[in-house]
Amino acid sequence: SQQGEEDPQALSIQEGENATMNCSYKTSINNLQWYRQNSGRGLVHLILIRSNEREKHSGRLRVTLDTSKKSSSLLITASRAADTASYFCATDRGSNYQLIWGAGTKLIIKP
Amino acid sequence: SAVISQKPSRDICQRGTSLTIQCQVDSQVTMMFWYRQQPGQSLTLIATANQGSEATYESGFVIDKFPISRPNLTFSTLTVSNMSPEDSSIYLCSVEVRGANTEAFFGQGTRLTVV
Repeated sequence: SQQGEEDPQALSIQEGENATMNCSYKTSINNLQWYRQNSGRGLVHLILIRSNEREKHSGRLRVTLDTSKKSSSLLITASRAADTASYFCATDRGSNYQLIWGAGTKLIIKP
Repeated sequence: SAVISQKPSRDICQRGTSLTIQCQVDSQVTMMFWYRQQPGQSLTLIATANQGSEATYESGFVIDKFPISRPNLTFSTLTVSNMSPEDSSIYLCSVEVRGANTEAFFGQGTRLTVV
């Protein structure tokens, strides 16, 4: 069920800095999604970018998608301690397929 | 959207015993997914639970160890049987709402510690 790779595996930055996480995948997709997981809890949907989109914004989140490189990045600007969590990408190949999950990036924001 | 209630949220169990985790969804869904997540790791799919048929297990997971029930379209249970410390993990149930874009919804997770 896992086709995506995310890097870095872990990222520790100071509060206020920007955090960038990357996701690569292997097959063609309908869209790519990013989810957040607070420690040991269920994942929560953050943002979705369709295969015909290159960039999308939502608040402090910016997602890019490069289908030629089969990669995506999630940028969190002006990070806060509350952003500390694990972030996962998931690829959607269409309604007949299950989502495929990346390995996740553990983000720690130091106050 | 879908709201999933998962319980228990955590448990500490003796080795050799079994624990049943329950997930209740606020809407009818065809498939429910059960994942295991070991500390600091990604999601590993255990099985897909379909209503009215046996669950489909992923490689490395067997029904005798992880029996699943799916009595109706809103409920499922996962049992972790004959537990050992290696079963200590977070267990998550999930549904995917499919349409033009598929979105996943998760229960709150069950943190299991086997001693």
